[in-house]
This record gives sequence, structure tokens and C-alpha cells, in this order.
Amino acid sequence: DAGVIQSPRHEVTEMGQEVTLRCKPISGHNSLFWYRQTMMRGLELLIYFNNNVPIDDSGMPEDRFSAKMPNASFSTLKIQPSEPRDSAVYFCASSLEGGYQPQHFGDGTRLSIL
Amino acid sequence: DQQVKQNSPSLSVQEGRISILNCDYTNSMFDYFLWYKKYPAEGPTFLISISSIKDKNEDGRFTVFLNKSAKHLSLHIVPSQPGDSAVYFCAARAIGAGSYQLTFGKGTKLSVIP
Repeated sequence: DAGVIQSPRHEVTEMGQEVTLRCKPISGHNSLFWYRQTMMRGLELLIYFNNNVPIDDSGMPEDRFSAKMPNASFSTLKIQPSEPRDSAVYFCASSLEGGYQPQHFGDGTRLSIL
Repeated sequence: DQQVKQNSPSLSVQEGRISILNCDYTNSMFDYFLWYKKYPAEGPTFLISISSIKDKNEDGRFTVFLNKSAKHLSLHIVPSQPGDSAVYFCAARAIGAGSYQLTFGKGTKLSVIP
């Protein structure tokens, strides 16, 4: 079975540019999560979708960040305009809802803003 | 304030011996605990979990122990193999509102020496 698929794996761009990260969750999973990992803060939850609806976006750092989930098999995380401090690894994860269900992670997008 | 703490940033173990990774938590509302393994340039991979109604869960070479009174859990790997060399993250989820959210520790890097 295919796991969570993220693209691109690496992104290098200049400050001020728009960045779009993509995620395809595991088929049948109805919960989707975007995380950011940095050395200083570890893994932080940015936003959580359930059945394609954003439930909790309290972790989104500021208005430059936005996320969408137009359907059950696709989500995007957009940064506009990007800044050097956004450089991090961004992970997408999905899970089944309810009970004791683990989250399954993609391999991440390593983002570098110059 | 870190609610999930992995106090050992690194651990070295001889192949064939037992690896014990530790994790402490402070939030008494946590009811589900997970261990993830992460190789470089890959996403965290779910390894094993335990709910708060149990004190032990075993899966092959991996066993997780939960001591609720001490707010402590540990992951035992027996016997350790070189392929187990990775960063291990402890994570916890609270019951109630926001129960989808995992809180992660900062990780312990395990090196298994052949």
C-alpha cells in the first residue's frame, strides 16, 4: 500500500517567493496533519483537517501560511511570501479517525529559503 | 514547557544487546503513547503504541512499558540490530478536546554498534 506522498522532496527558493507543498494522504484516511520540524522546536503541528475540513489551524505561524484540502486525496500548504525563517522540514501525516489510531507520516519536504 | 521529554539525546548500544529508550511526560490527561523511528531524509515511521489502560505492549523485538504513576514510558529493543540505528521519538495524545493532537519529544538518537 502506498504511504503518504509528499512533493517536492526538496525546495530551494528565494525570499519573497511563493512556495507550495503538496500531500497525498493514505487512501481511506480521513484525518490529515501538517507538521514543521526545526532543530530548535522539534515537530510542531501546523494544521489539522478532518474530512477535508480544517479543524485546528492554531499552529499556523502567521497569515503568510495557508493550507487547503480540496478533496480527500490532496492537500496543499502554501507560504506567501516566504522568508528565511520558514526554512525547515515540513511533514504531512494522515490517520483514520477515532480510537487509538497512529498517524502515518510522509517523507517530508526540506524547504530552504535563501 | 515540554510536556513530553526525552532526556537522552543519544544512546549507543552493542549489537545483540538490549536498547532502552526513555520518555517522561507531565500531562496526566495523556491516554495514548506512541513511538516513532526516523531515518535521515525520511519521515517518522510508526513503531509501536500503548494506551493508558495497559502497562505493556509487545511487538516482536519491540516492547513498550508504561508506568502511569511515574508518568514514564520506555521502549525496549531486544536484540538490537545495526538497522535499528535511527532517531526515536516518543509521542503522546491527550483525551478530550483536541485529542487528535500528538505532542512529541525531541528524540533520542540510537546507534547500534556492530
